Amino acid sequence: NAGVMQNPRHLVRRRGQEARLRCSPMKGHSHVYWYRQLPEEGLKFMVYLQKENIIDESGMPKERFSAEFPKEGPSILRIQQVVRGDSAAYFCASSPDYSTDTQYFGPGTRLTVL
Amino acid sequence: AQSVTQPDIHITVSEGASLELRCNYSYGATPYLFWYVQSPGQGLQLLLKYFSGDTLVQGIKGFEAEFKRSQSSFNLRKPSVHWSDAAEYFCAVGAKDTGNQFYFGTGTSLTVIP
Repeated sequence: NAGVMQNPRHLVRRRGQEARLRCSPMKGHSHVYWYRQLPEEGLKFMVYLQKENIIDESGMPKERFSAEFPKEGPSILRIQQVVRGDSAAYFCASSPDYSTDTQYFGPGTRLTVL
Repeated sequence: AQSVTQPDIHITVSEGASLELRCNYSYGATPYLFWYVQSPGQGLQLLLKYFSGDTLVQGIKGFEAEFKRSQSSFNLRKPSVHWSDAAEYFCAVGAKDTGNQFYFGTGTSLTVIP
């Protein structure tokens, strides 16, 4: 049973470009969470999605960031017009349903903005 | 507001020595508590979790943690540390009424010396 998959593992972008991070949850999991880890810090919640729905985006910056979890395919975290401050590790987690509070994490995507 | 504090940024122990990593949380009700471990460049692996019941929980790799409601603590322990335990350890709190998001501490970096 494959775990949470994220790709790419490393992503380098220049300022102003777009970054797309993909997350495939564990098989049977319909809940996806995105977290950001800045250097020397813990993980900070960004957004919680179910299939085709954003449930909680209270941790998402208001501009340039968006997330989706379509009916088919992986969840996508999109960052438009990246800036140096977006450089971080972005982790995706999944859980089977709302009643199960354990979240299983992927290996992360490390974004570097030049 | 929910929060998690890990007072020790960095801990160094000798191989074979015992280990205790501290975690304090702030939450109005009984939270769900987790410990995750992150090796360099890797994602987070769940070590153990507490939902309810016995306040001493056993996890993988010989780790255990004790929930103490009176102290709002959930400290992680291991009786004999192995060199492979060197990693970053994160305590997290989550609950349904937080929108299923997890709140993470800033982590404790563990160094194991021979």
